[in-house]
Amino acid sequence: DTAVSQTPKYLVTQMGNDKSIKCEQNLGHDTMYWYKQDSKKFLKIMFSYNNKELIINETVPNRFSPKSPDKAHLNLHINSLELGDSAVYFCASSKLPGQGAPGETQYFGPGTRLLVL
Amino acid sequence: AQSVTQLGSHVSVSEGALVLLRCNYSSSVPPYLFWYVQYPNQGLQLLLKYTTGATLVKGINGFEAEFKKSETSFHLTKPSAHMSDAAEYFCAVSVGTSGSRLTFGEGTQLTVNP
Repeated sequence: DTAVSQTPKYLVTQMGNDKSIKCEQNLGHDTMYWYKQDSKKFLKIMFSYNNKELIINETVPNRFSPKSPDKAHLNLHINSLELGDSAVYFCASSKLPGQGAPGETQYFGPGTRLLVL
Repeated sequence: AQSVTQLGSHVSVSEGALVLLRCNYSSSVPPYLFWYVQYPNQGLQLLLKYTTGATLVKGINGFEAEFKKSETSFHLTKPSAHMSDAAEYFCAVSVGTSGSRLTFGEGTQLTVNP
């Protein structure tokens, strides 16, 4: 009965490879997010989707491409991985659709620890 | 744009002592404020949040925080620390003009000594 799940939990890969991280939520939420936590534990939003539509797209290299096949899933594909992509990537979701719902609680997944060698 | 500053990247207290984690925010519009906790190798869990109404907010595990607009602060407190409180704590802000994104502070690592 996990609320927000991510796969894989750990990902070790070589520079230049392409990888995907999957996220699923069973909370019935309309909005999903990707956050990146760096080695100093600083968290920063990358993307947000509302009901499969991109609503937040921070200054992220275009090697990162989110995809939302339905409102319960938000995947993150990363092309040509670089050393600096090593981080923990968190998926989150919240209810209430669209923008202007800033007071709503975001529920986080357990994170995917990506290490690029 | 909004921002959050957490004073003290590391806080150490004795078991049973008061916990005080400081958070100041910057926002040109009324903010929504959150405290999240992250245990080692886990995701973030909401402790409490302020949206509107009562400025003293009670959360889980005995934590509470008070929104002080005049001081632009949202400090987190707990009267008596427990060993299980050792974790990383994040203050975050969200405002209506930025959609629903959370802007996080840099985190405070809380250590509880026996």
